[in-house]
Amino acid sequence: AQSVAQPEDQVNVAEGNPLTVKCTYSVSGNPYLFWYVQYPNRGLQFLLKYITGDNLVKGSYGFEAEFNKSQTSFHLKKPSALVSDSALYFCAVRDGDTGFQKLVFGTGTRLLVSP
Amino acid sequence: DGGITQSPKYLFRKEGQNVTLSCEQNLNHDAMYWYRQDPGQGLRLIYYSQIVNDFQKGDIAEGYSVSREKKESFPLTVTSAQKNPTAFYLCASSILRGPYNEQFFGPGTRLTVL
Repeated sequence: AQSVAQPEDQVNVAEGNPLTVKCTYSVSGNPYLFWYVQYPNRGLQFLLKYITGDNLVKGSYGFEAEFNKSQTSFHLKKPSALVSDSALYFCAVRDGDTGFQKLVFGTGTRLLVSP
Repeated sequence: DGGITQSPKYLFRKEGQNVTLSCEQNLNHDAMYWYRQDPGQGLRLIYYSQIVNDFQKGDIAEGYSVSREKKESFPLTVTSAQKNPTAFYLCASSILRGPYNEQFFGPGTRLTVL
């Protein structure tokens, strides 16, 4: 089965500094990867997804993700963090190549941006 | 506005009671999902449905039941058999086919057992 790992429970960064939230994946075929954000007591919001061939993916709210096949990683990045970026971030992978497939989610990384 | 609605936002249940959580979508999506979220455990899939009158168990279906009588509706019943139902419940939907079919989520229902 496909899986993703988010090795950090929490990431702390100062406002204005660049941020990175890490995600590594394990798949048996092509990787179909997604990032979501969750604000307190809210549902998940889609940020971006990996499209085969694009190693740097741009998404919502100034976020981008870097796909690295050799390191099996799909890290979420932002050049300059905002306090309002503080939230819970989930990486997800499609559970298979063909037909209908569910998403498998990581355990989440809490991002805390300090003023 | 297109989207997914869940109701109620907060729900309190006494032990031994069944409760039903509502999920409605107007995105014309064929697939719908129910997740449970507990602190530090991410999202766990309870049930999903690809088409009306059909649904499949996810990873933690015990103590839950669903129905899919209409394309836009996918209610979840938390039965008294669910040993630890206090959690945040999220409903989602997506198109059925294609590798880039991200899921769209509702705002969630927080269930507390008293």
